[in-house]
Amino acid sequence: DGGITQSPKYLFRKEGQNVTLSCEQNLNHDAMYWYRQDPGQGLRLIYYSQIVNDFQKGDIAEGYSVSREKKESFPLTVTSAQKNPTAFYLCASSMRASGREQFFGPGTRLTVL
Amino acid sequence: QKEVEQNSGPLSVPEGAIASLNCTYSDRGSQSFFWYRQYSGKSPELIMFIYSNGDKEDGRFTAQLNKASQYVSLLIRDSQPSDSATYLCARGGGADGLTFGKGTHLIIQP
Repeated sequence: DGGITQSPKYLFRKEGQNVTLSCEQNLNHDAMYWYRQDPGQGLRLIYYSQIVNDFQKGDIAEGYSVSREKKESFPLTVTSAQKNPTAFYLCASSMRASGREQFFGPGTRLTVL
Repeated sequence: QKEVEQNSGPLSVPEGAIASLNCTYSDRGSQSFFWYRQYSGKSPELIMFIYSNGDKEDGRFTAQLNKASQYVSLLIRDSQPSDSATYLCARGGGADGLTFGKGTHLIIQP
């Protein structure tokens, strides 16, 4: 089955820890994205990547880092510099970055203890 | 600012009626528009996209685009309780992909 997978589904982090969220797609999509969603809020773009070995900051990149070493994978690291990381994190992909529909993974819910 | 605006709701509609969801956008250069449905605790699911002025129908769903007035609508006919969800409007056109509105919470009353 083609799709986007994210792991883990739930993640708990102690203050001061870095954690990495996994995102994998087998849709052969060029572009991948990370969003953050807070309760009652829309999606806010953290980082995006249009091609392997290249990525760009979104609207709220501070305290986050990414890599894009393979077309299929776009992991997100939430660092200790992110002051309020508790949120629902969504990974998405599209055939190309500009204006095409995006498809979402199931999400990771991160809670800071 | 290339914003997308939606009324957060909740919008309450009786079962079997037509639900009408609206979205406005500020960037006249926007070329493509998308409607996503998001159930509580789940990820967004694409239900419609529209690129041209006018109406586009898919089953019980109709998307309407008016570029002159800069609004996009989603109509849901014969609303069912399973349609209760948050509906996200998004516009495309930039290198950073899509810009999302905050969503409208729709409640279908049995």
